[in-house]
Formats: sequence, C-alpha cells, structure tokens
Amino acid sequence: GNSVTQMEGPVTLSEEAFLTINCTYTATGYPSLFWYVQYPGEGLQLLLKATKADDKGSNKGFEATYRKETTSFHLEKGSVQVSDSAVYFCALSEFGNEKLTFGTGTRLTIIP
Amino acid sequence: EAQVTQNPRYLITVTGKKLTVTCSQNMNHEYMSWYRQDPGLGLRQIYYSMNVEVTDKGDVPEGYKVSRKEKRNFPLILESPSPNQTSLYFCASSGWSGQTDTQYFGPGTRLTVL
Repeated sequence: GNSVTQMEGPVTLSEEAFLTINCTYTATGYPSLFWYVQYPGEGLQLLLKATKADDKGSNKGFEATYRKETTSFHLEKGSVQVSDSAVYFCALSEFGNEKLTFGTGTRLTIIP
Repeated sequence: EAQVTQNPRYLITVTGKKLTVTCSQNMNHEYMSWYRQDPGLGLRQIYYSMNVEVTDKGDVPEGYKVSRKEKRNFPLILESPSPNQTSLYFCASSGWSGQTDTQYFGPGTRLTVL
C-alpha cells in the first residue's frame, strides 16, 4: 500500500535559518504529492503540491520538488519566520483517488 | 467565502452516548471525507463519499457511520463512542474532475470520550 515517511520532529530553528523537512513516499502508482500546514488551533491548509516528476511546487517562500528517482518531496525554505511555526504534513494521493495518505507530521518552532 | 464548517468544535462525552459531528461545505464539491488525527499517526481516513448517496470505508471505519443525503452535508455518527475514539477529527472536501484536486479542510472537532 501507499505510505509517507517524514522527518521526525519537533524541529526548532532561529529566525532566518534555512529549513528542510524530509519526506519520502512509497506508492503503487504515480501519485500527486502535497505539503499541508496546520497552524495552532486550525485545520489543514494546502501549502503546495506537485503532480508529476520534476515539478516544483512553491508558495509563501516554501518549495518542494517531486523527485521520482528518489521517491522524495522535501520541503525547503531559505529564511524562516516566526509566523512559519506550525505542523507540516507531507501527503500523497493516487491518480483517480482523492484519498490522501499522510505522514505523521513535523512540528516546526521558529524562535526570534 | 469558500469554507468547510464543522460542529461542534469541542465535545466531551461519555462511553456509549450516541453523537453526531456535522460537516458542511459551500463549494458544491462532490467528494467529502472524514479523517482523524492522532499523535504520531498523522491523519487517517475514516470514511469518504464520492457524491450523494455514495459512501465507502476508509482506513479506520470501525465504530463510525456516515451519510450523504445532500451534497453539502456529510455528518459523522458515533453510535456508541468508546475512549479509543478520543481524537481530533477533520472533515474535508474537494471537487472531482477525474484527477486529484485540492482538498479543503474544516477547522477540526476535538472529541473526548470518558
């Protein structure tokens, strides 16, 4: 079956530091890949997505590239802000199936 | 404003007392689903619905029921709640065009079963 493995947290960084959160996946087909973000007390919001190999999703300074050869979709940001503190989820869905398979989530805390 | 709403946001109940968590979306989406979020496990799908009167089990359906009588509503029913159903629940919806579309999540319902 499908699965998503993401970097264990929590992760604590100083403001303006470089961020990487690793995500790898296992899928039987050709999935679409997503990063969702959950701010404290809120539901999940789509941060970015990529639907085919070598696609780069980007939003709010975050980027992730769909790497089929390494089955990875690592999240990066060049300079984090306090407002980026949240839980980040990597997820996948198969073509023709709306179900999302999630990783366990990575809690990110940015300190001033 | 496009949104998914859930009620209640917080609920404390006792074992065996039937409860319903409502979910409604105003985007005319065909697809709706329920997830539960537990520490260390991420989100897991409970049930989903492709359209009115069409529902199916997700990964963890035991102890839950759903119905889809109207396109906008997708209530989650716990007939006899147990403590292992204490969790954070999210409803989600998306359009259906034959390929993966962005899912929109509700704000969550935190349920405690004593």
